[in-house]
Amino acid sequence: EADIYQTPRYLVIGTGKKITLECSQTMGHDKMYWYQQDPGMELHLIHYSYGVNSTEKGDLSSESTVSRIRTEHFPLTLESARPSHTSQYLCASSAPGQGNEKLFFGSGTQLSVL
Amino acid sequence: DAKTTQPNSMESNEEEPVHLPCNHSTISGTDYIHWYRQLPSQGPEYVIHGLTSNVNNRMASLAIAEDRKSSTLILHRATLRDAAVYYCILKGGGATNKLIFGTGTLLAVQP
Repeated sequence: EADIYQTPRYLVIGTGKKITLECSQTMGHDKMYWYQQDPGMELHLIHYSYGVNSTEKGDLSSESTVSRIRTEHFPLTLESARPSHTSQYLCASSAPGQGNEKLFFGSGTQLSVL
Repeated sequence: DAKTTQPNSMESNEEEPVHLPCNHSTISGTDYIHWYRQLPSQGPEYVIHGLTSNVNNRMASLAIAEDRKSSTLILHRATLRDAAVYYCILKGGGATNKLIFGTGTLLAVQP
C-alpha cells in the first residue's frame, strides 16, 4: 500500500563528505517528514514540509537541511558528515487531515559515518 | 502536545490475545489516538486510530475509555510477526500538528 521510497537503504561514508538521502512518494501527499532514530530509541522529528517550497525544523535540532522543490521529492542533505550523524533516517508522508491522517513511512536509510 | 504513557515491554504467547494499554490523561477534545508499530529494521507502520468510539480493522481493535483518558490496542491472536514496538500517539486536529513518537511498548511474542 505504501508508495514511499528511500535510497540508499544503507550508506557508509567517511567524515567530511557531503551526502544526500533521497525520499520520494507517489501518493501526491502534501505533507512530508524526516525522523531520526538511534538504535533502541524513539523517533525524533527533525524536518517537515507542508508542500512545495515549505520546510520547517522539527523538535530535534539537526545539522541537516532539506528542500521541497517538487511535491513527490523531499531530500535531506548533510554538507559535512560526522560520526555523530550516524543514525537511521526515516522519511514519511501524509495527506491533509484534521488529526486523523495516516503517516506512511519509508524503509529508512541507515547512515554510518566513519 | 499531550503525552502518552505506555509500559516499556510486554510478553504474549502466540495465538493468544494481547491488550496493549496506553494512558493519556491530558488528552484534549480534538486529539485523535493513533497507534503505529515498528518491526525490527523497518519504518513504523500505521495500525489504527480513533477519536471517541471503539474501532476495528483487519489488523487490530482499539478500545477507547469513555473519558478518553486511556485506550487499549487489542491484537486478537498474536503471531510471531506481531513482535514489534507499539507506539500510542495523540495527534491534534490543527493542520500543523505533527506526529510525535514516545518510547512505545516492546511486544515479545513467544511460540
